[in-house]
Amino acid sequence: DGGITQSPKYLFRKEGQNVTLSCEQNLNHDAMYWYRQDPGQGLRLIYYSQIVNDFQKGDIAEGYSVSREKKESFPLTVTSAQKNPTAFYLCASMNNGFNYGYTFGSGTRLTVV
Amino acid sequence: DAKTTQPPSMDCAEGRAANLPCNHSTISGNEYVYWYRQIHSQGPQYIIHGLKNNETNEMASLIITEDRKSSTLILPHATLRDTAVYYCIVRMNRDDKIIFGKGTRLHILP
Repeated sequence: DGGITQSPKYLFRKEGQNVTLSCEQNLNHDAMYWYRQDPGQGLRLIYYSQIVNDFQKGDIAEGYSVSREKKESFPLTVTSAQKNPTAFYLCASMNNGFNYGYTFGSGTRLTVV
Repeated sequence: DAKTTQPPSMDCAEGRAANLPCNHSTISGNEYVYWYRQIHSQGPQYIIHGLKNNETNEMASLIITEDRKSSTLILPHATLRDTAVYYCIVRMNRDDKIIFGKGTRLHILP
């Protein structure tokens, strides 16, 4: 079945460490997105990429980095510069057609210990 | 900022129709209205979308006012599994990102 896979589901990180969250899709979608969600809050956009080898900052990009070397993959690195990294991270993809919406992954819950 | 306004929470009795309103008074002519829902600790799930006509699928109906400034998502026979946060989104253009608001937290009461 086609879909988006995020791994791991739960991730623990020590303060000062970088950590990379995986997002893979086999939907042949052009665009991919990373969102962050804090308890009781909506989704905030971190980074997005509409084509391979290109990406743009979202509203809260500071302390994060991404790459888009392959169409299927859009990993997110949470760096030590991110002051409050504990959150629920969601990856999504979308076809660059006017009438399409997002498909979301199941999320990664990151906790800094 | 999100281009939509939704009530923060709503209750609905199980088996009744749940009507979730959304205001999007600044919507432009080529923007669609999308609805998603997010069950606790899962990724949001697409429900339905529309431009100007009313739409219906196996999950819900979408009623858009004639002036397109507001819409209502209708879950015809709500069940406990419909308890979730529902997001109303206006899609800006074909190559743009989607901005989520805080949505409406729907509680289905047994």
